[in-house]
Amino acid sequence: DGGITQSPKYLFRKEGQNVTLSCEQNLNHDAMYWYRQDPGQGLRLIYYSQIVNDFQKGDIAEGYSVSREKKESFPLTVTSAQKNPTAFYLCASSIQRKEEAFFGQGTRLTVV
Amino acid sequence: KQEVTQIPAALSVPEGENLVLNCSFTDSAIYNLQWFRQDPGKGLTSLLLIQSSQREQTSGRLNASLDKSSGRSTLYIAASQPGDSATYLCAANPYNTDKLIFGTGTRLQVFP
Repeated sequence: DGGITQSPKYLFRKEGQNVTLSCEQNLNHDAMYWYRQDPGQGLRLIYYSQIVNDFQKGDIAEGYSVSREKKESFPLTVTSAQKNPTAFYLCASSIQRKEEAFFGQGTRLTVV
Repeated sequence: KQEVTQIPAALSVPEGENLVLNCSFTDSAIYNLQWFRQDPGKGLTSLLLIQSSQREQTSGRLNASLDKSSGRSTLYIAASQPGDSATYLCAANPYNTDKLIFGTGTRLQVFP
């Protein structure tokens, strides 16, 4: 089955820790995105990548980092510099920039 | 700056009703507009994508329309069913950015 796989589904982070959220797609899409969803707010873009080895900051990139070493993978690291990381994180991809976006099932990150 | 608004924020209807969900955007310079469904704790499922040159798109009981001049899109759901209960999100894809601009969604409940 083609699709976008995010793991883990739930993640708990202690204060001061870095954690990495996984996003893998087998759709052969060039573009990949990370969004953050908070209650009562629309989704906000963290980072996006249009091609392997290239990525750009979105609206709320501070405290996050990404890499795009392979076309199918776009992991997101939430660093200790992110002061309010508790949220639902969604990964998406599209065949090219500006085309139809498809989303994974999300990772819920909680700070303990 | 593009802003997307969805009204109402919540809607409760009896099974079998036809209903309309509204999405407004402030800048008509959009490449396309996409409607999504989100079940609680889950990712987004793409329902319909309307290109800027199109007026509407249909998929089964769903019909989405786009009027760029008035900055509006509507999602029409025919013969609603309890399984349609979810949050519906619209997202505008502006020409001048690679991110989707999301509304905060309409939470729909269809009761038997």
